[in-house]
Amino acid sequence: DGGITQSPKYLFRKEGQNVTLSCEQNLNHDAMYWYRQDPGQGLRLIYYSQIVNDFQKGDIAEGYSVSREKKESFPLTVTSAQKNPTAFYLCASSIRTGTILKGYTFGSGTRLTVV
Amino acid sequence: DQQVKQNSPSLSVQEGRISILNCDYTNSMFDYFLWYKKYPAEGPTFLISISSIKDKNEDGRFTVFLNKSAKHLSLHIVPSQPGDSAVYFCAASPGSGGGADGLTFGKGTHLIIQP
Repeated sequence: DGGITQSPKYLFRKEGQNVTLSCEQNLNHDAMYWYRQDPGQGLRLIYYSQIVNDFQKGDIAEGYSVSREKKESFPLTVTSAQKNPTAFYLCASSIRTGTILKGYTFGSGTRLTVV
Repeated sequence: DQQVKQNSPSLSVQEGRISILNCDYTNSMFDYFLWYKKYPAEGPTFLISISSIKDKNEDGRFTVFLNKSAKHLSLHIVPSQPGDSAVYFCAASPGSGGGADGLTFGKGTHLIIQP
């Protein structure tokens, strides 16, 4: 079965540390995205990538970095510069070309807590 | 500046009745709209979508209506079932190319189906 795998499901980080969230998909989707969910805030776009070796900042990219070295993988690094990193992080993917009939496919999320 | 607005944070509906979730948008470039359903600690799952060339799309118990002149869409669920209790996100994308630049999400409406 194809899908998106995010790991780990729960992650704890000390203040001042960088941490990397994993996102892998086997759907052969071109585009991948990272969103952040906070209570009462909905989903906000952090970064997105339409093709390998290319990515763009979303609405709240400050304090985050990404890479897209392989089509299947789009890891997100939460750096120490991110002031409020505690949140639920969602990775998604989609077919880049043509109309989106089924929208995005989302992973099950990673809850990051800064301790 | 919120481009996709879901003004009701929560909605309570009796089982068997109709649930109506509303969504307004401000960006006239949006022409593809989607609804997602999300359970706690899980990723959103695609529910139904509509292109701006239509004013209605139906899939089983779910119907989405689009009023372009009012920049308003609604999701109707009938009859409502206990498993429909979840947070529902409205999302929008500019261009029929498929939203590869990232969907814009509303803040969500928590639907509670009461027995």
